[in-house]
Amino acid sequence: AQTVTQSQPEMSVQEAETVTLSCTYDTSESDYYLFWYKQPPSRQMILVIRQEAYKQQNATENRFSVNFQKAAKSFSLKISDSQLGDAAMYFCAYRGFEGAQKLVFGQGTRLTINP
Amino acid sequence: EAQVTQNPRYLITVTGKKLTVTCSQNMNHEYMSWYRQDPGLGLRQIYYSMNVEVTDKGDVPEGYKVSRKEKRNFPLILESPSPNQTSLYFCASARLSGNTIYFGEGSWLTVV
Repeated sequence: AQTVTQSQPEMSVQEAETVTLSCTYDTSESDYYLFWYKQPPSRQMILVIRQEAYKQQNATENRFSVNFQKAAKSFSLKISDSQLGDAAMYFCAYRGFEGAQKLVFGQGTRLTINP
Repeated sequence: EAQVTQNPRYLITVTGKKLTVTCSQNMNHEYMSWYRQDPGLGLRQIYYSMNVEVTDKGDVPEGYKVSRKEKRNFPLILESPSPNQTSLYFCASARLSGNTIYFGEGSWLTVV
């Protein structure tokens, strides 16, 4: 079974600086998707970024980018120019390429932005 | 507007009193699923359905039931709730062939 591990329960960063959230996963599949979700205090689940494992290029979405290391099974999220609105719980998630659309989530990292 | 709608959003109930959390989607998605979120554990899948009348267990199905009589609805049933089912619950839907999963806004359930 696939597992996802986020080893940083909490992180903090100064506003306007850069922070990296870590995620590792375990799978025997060769094709899959990886995601980062943001959960603000409203508890809404917001998709931040998606990476297809067959793509070597790291995904980017504005100030959010990932460092995808397939061999190391590592998928970190970098947030540049941190803003107060980035404060949230962040979840890393895995989904197999075929079959049911099941997401396997990590434990979450709570990110605090210091003004 | 594409939506996954859950009701109720907040509920406090007593041990043993049957309750149903409804979930409805307006995107004609084949796939629907329920997750529960607990501190330090992330979200874990309870049940899922790949189409009408097709349901299967996820990772934490004990104490829950589901049904999929219509494509748009996927209710979560707690026949005899217990305090360990106090949690935040999410419904999600997706096209079977798609790569985007849509989440509802969550339902806070407290069992006392």
